[in-house]
Amino acid sequence: DAGVTQSPTHLIKTRGQQVTLRCSPKSGHDTVSWYQQALGQGPQFIFQYYEEEERQRGNFPDRFSGHQFPNYSSELNVNALLLGDSALYLCASSWTGDEQYFGPGTRLTVT
Amino acid sequence: DQQVKQNSPSLSVQEGRISILNCDYTNSMFDYFLWYKKYPAEGPTFLISISSIKDKNEDGRFTVFLNKSAKHLSLHIVPSQPGDSAVYFCAASAPLISGAQKLVFGQGTRLTINP
Repeated sequence: DAGVTQSPTHLIKTRGQQVTLRCSPKSGHDTVSWYQQALGQGPQFIFQYYEEEERQRGNFPDRFSGHQFPNYSSELNVNALLLGDSALYLCASSWTGDEQYFGPGTRLTVT
Repeated sequence: DQQVKQNSPSLSVQEGRISILNCDYTNSMFDYFLWYKKYPAEGPTFLISISSIKDKNEDGRFTVFLNKSAKHLSLHIVPSQPGDSAVYFCAASAPLISGAQKLVFGQGTRLTINP
């Protein structure tokens, strides 16, 4: 049983560019959450998707947007990248309110 | 505003002894608490959780204690093993109208188990 998978593993972008990160949830899970983890900090909640809709959003600007597909997979899009967006982006999946299981993350570097 | 705090950035424990990791929170609306373990280049792995209606939950070598009046929880690992060396995150969630589960994490504590 595959766990949560994310792609790509690493990504380098330039300021002002746009990026799309992808996540496939654990089999049987219908909810996907995205977190940003800066160096030396704990993960910070970006948003959560359920039934293809954004159900809850954290304190992140509109430059951060997402999508959930009918097969429950999800994308995180970040526009107009800033240096401060450099971080590890974690996707977590769950079955409606149960414990969240995390993927290995995508390391984004903005230069 | 750091609602979940882990005040010890690092902890070193002898193999076989007890490891105690601490976590404090400020939001009295939190009703569910979790501990995650993270190895380098991997995502956080769920360890153990506790609901606010309990004060203790045990799973093998791991026990989580919750003191609601002090807004404090702790994770006990007995006995500690070298494979327990990792960064441990405390997380909490509060019920939301949307039904979503939004986890609020502490900064993490790096646990090192010495042989």
